Amino acid sequence: DTGVSQDPRHKITKRGQNVTFRCDPISEHNRLYWYRQTLGQGPEFLTYFQNEAQLEKSRLLSDRFSAERPKGSFSTLEIQRTEQGDSAMYLCASSLTVLQETQYFGPGTRLLVL
Amino acid sequence: DAKTTQPTSMDCAEGRAANLPCNHSTISGNEYVYWYRQIHSQGPQYIIHGLKNNETNEMASLIITEDRKSSTLILPHATLRDTAVYYCIVRVIRGSFGNEKLTFGTGTRLTIIP
Repeated sequence: DTGVSQDPRHKITKRGQNVTFRCDPISEHNRLYWYRQTLGQGPEFLTYFQNEAQLEKSRLLSDRFSAERPKGSFSTLEIQRTEQGDSAMYLCASSLTVLQETQYFGPGTRLLVL
Repeated sequence: DAKTTQPTSMDCAEGRAANLPCNHSTISGNEYVYWYRQIHSQGPQYIIHGLKNNETNEMASLIITEDRKSSTLILPHATLRDTAVYYCIVRVIRGSFGNEKLTFGTGTRLTIIP
């Protein structure tokens, strides 16, 4: 257990529905990352926060995706109008801004869109 | 960030040392080598990182060649619980205001044989 928690661990939804995932980082960590991982591939970067500011978004993050980190604590990732191609593992990682930063990952949320 | 090349899969007998190679021939002087692993259906787990000196921690040793174009992760006494996908990642340390996203490849699937 790294101290990063994600909820829910699994989500099954129908195409067109909205889903929201939550990530609780390690308490003193000011950076938070979201990644997506499809079967057989390594995780791919989606977006990143430093405190409450969302500083970078990947081109993978379409307009249907939105992420927030109010008050620089937990973060949510929402997918609107889900598509079958959104089926993946969504991973959250947190880190502290130091030289040679190390990211600690949560267990992930596995999404299946039917 | 520099690209890495790893074997797709490897086997190792339980109790023996597992040596996982990684090629990063285009690495720059300010890029670190990080290793993560991912056990089935879990989030990636940080193992070790280094710049140019060999590093050791409670999990593993990292040997980086003098020209820094390749490295080897060593698990000294592999157990069945070390069966996982191992990712070698090369990244620039960008400092306080940089996106320190990790760029994963497909990694090496290590299987520990009883």
